[in-house]
Amino acid sequence: QVQLVQSGGEVKKPGASVKVSCKASGYTFTTCGISWVRQAPGQGLEWMGWINPYTANTNYAQKLQGRVTMTTDTSTRTAYMELRSLRSDDTAVYYCARDYGGAITYFDYWGQGTLVTVSS
Amino acid sequence: DIQMTQSPSSLSASVGDRVTITCRASQTISRYLNWYQQKAGKAPKLLIYVASSLQSGVPSRFSGSGSGTDFTLTITSLQPEDFATYYCQQSYSPPRTFGQGTKLEIK
Repeated sequence: QVQLVQSGGEVKKPGASVKVSCKASGYTFTTCGISWVRQAPGQGLEWMGWINPYTANTNYAQKLQGRVTMTTDTSTRTAYMELRSLRSDDTAVYYCARDYGGAITYFDYWGQGTLVTVSS
Repeated sequence: DIQMTQSPSSLSASVGDRVTITCRASQTISRYLNWYQQKAGKAPKLLIYVASSLQSGVPSRFSGSGSGTDFTLTITSLQPEDFATYYCQQSYSPPRTFGQGTKLEIK
């Protein structure tokens, strides 16, 4: 069965960086993209970006350009999301999701979420 | 960016009711529209993809319709486990924007 297992919660100070991992199992890792979605406390879902594990191509939300980097390690079937220059409004639960499909895509499996708290 | 607007933002209903949630896109997105259910403290769950295709394992009381800019999610005969927040999401073009969510509460 498809599973995405994320790393544990993090507490960071403003200005620091965080790197969240997402380990995939149950499918061929290079056949589906991975998207990252975050959710601030009590708020809705915000798509952060996408990576193709086969080509390493990425597409980031414009508001995060320059602060976010998404990578994958195909040998360990793990995706990573690094966010730099953290601010208090980056406090959120961060999810990875399998981005299934070609021309038509949807997020059919999700990780359990990683809470990142940014506080001085 | 394509803006997605859901209505209503919240909704009270009773077990057994039929409810409809609407989602409007700021420009045409063909049928590139997905619906997710999220329960408190949990990751979202895919319900409907490509406007009307039911994800495997999702009960048939959930259905989706629409194309272009206007879409609906319908739940017939609400069950206790259906009380949650629902999000639409467009996959027509990046960024893959979500609606603001509709919270479905027990009346």
